[in-house]
Amino acid sequence: SQQGEEDPQALSIQEGENATMNCSYKTSINNLQWYRQNSGRGLVHLILIRSNEREKHSGRLRVTLDTSKKSSSLLITASRAADTASYFCARRPGGTSYGKLTFGQGTILTVHP
Amino acid sequence: GAVVSQHPSWVICKSGTSVKIECRSLDFQATTMFWYRQFPKQSLMLMATSNEGSKATYEQGVEKDKFLINHASLTLSTLTVTSAHPEDSSFYICKKHSRGNTNTGELFFGEGSRLTVL
Repeated sequence: SQQGEEDPQALSIQEGENATMNCSYKTSINNLQWYRQNSGRGLVHLILIRSNEREKHSGRLRVTLDTSKKSSSLLITASRAADTASYFCARRPGGTSYGKLTFGQGTILTVHP
Repeated sequence: GAVVSQHPSWVICKSGTSVKIECRSLDFQATTMFWYRQFPKQSLMLMATSNEGSKATYEQGVEKDKFLINHASLTLSTLTVTSAHPEDSSFYICKKHSRGNTNTGELFFGEGSRLTVL
């Protein structure tokens, strides 16, 4: 699939635990981005990581990128009930115009209070 | 604050009618708009890319005569679902990008429009 894969498809954890979501892709990329989507709502941009970067942090979020394995992971530490949402990775394939993104299938995260 | 305004947020229409969704850039000009569609419990799929002053580019499998895109000004792009049918029920999201904002690649999404065709 051009979209790539995300796993797990669904993740259920308790508040305070860490949540890790993975994203794999098949083609070369310029950058990879992670988004959050609350049920029935629009997208919230979380982090962008460029192809020459290996790790980025933003608050409780940590994103890693391994271009040799064509994979990325999103770690949410000390999760909260408010983190419950769907999380998508999206990449800008190499050679494509700015702004054109290909999304993964997404991970549905449920954080229980 | 929001930099992209998309409306309507919700629309319910009868089968066979046409529905127009607007996506407006609130801060700087958007020479390019991307339109995505998201079916329930699925991911976002790019439908088309609209460029100000020129014809939109449609992704494979997207009917250009059914999904009319107009980008007549630098701040407004519209998507019209013509002769809508129940299978067109979906969440439509626009996303803007400007040549002046290529540094971070951060892209701006509208809030989305949920279309339900009865």
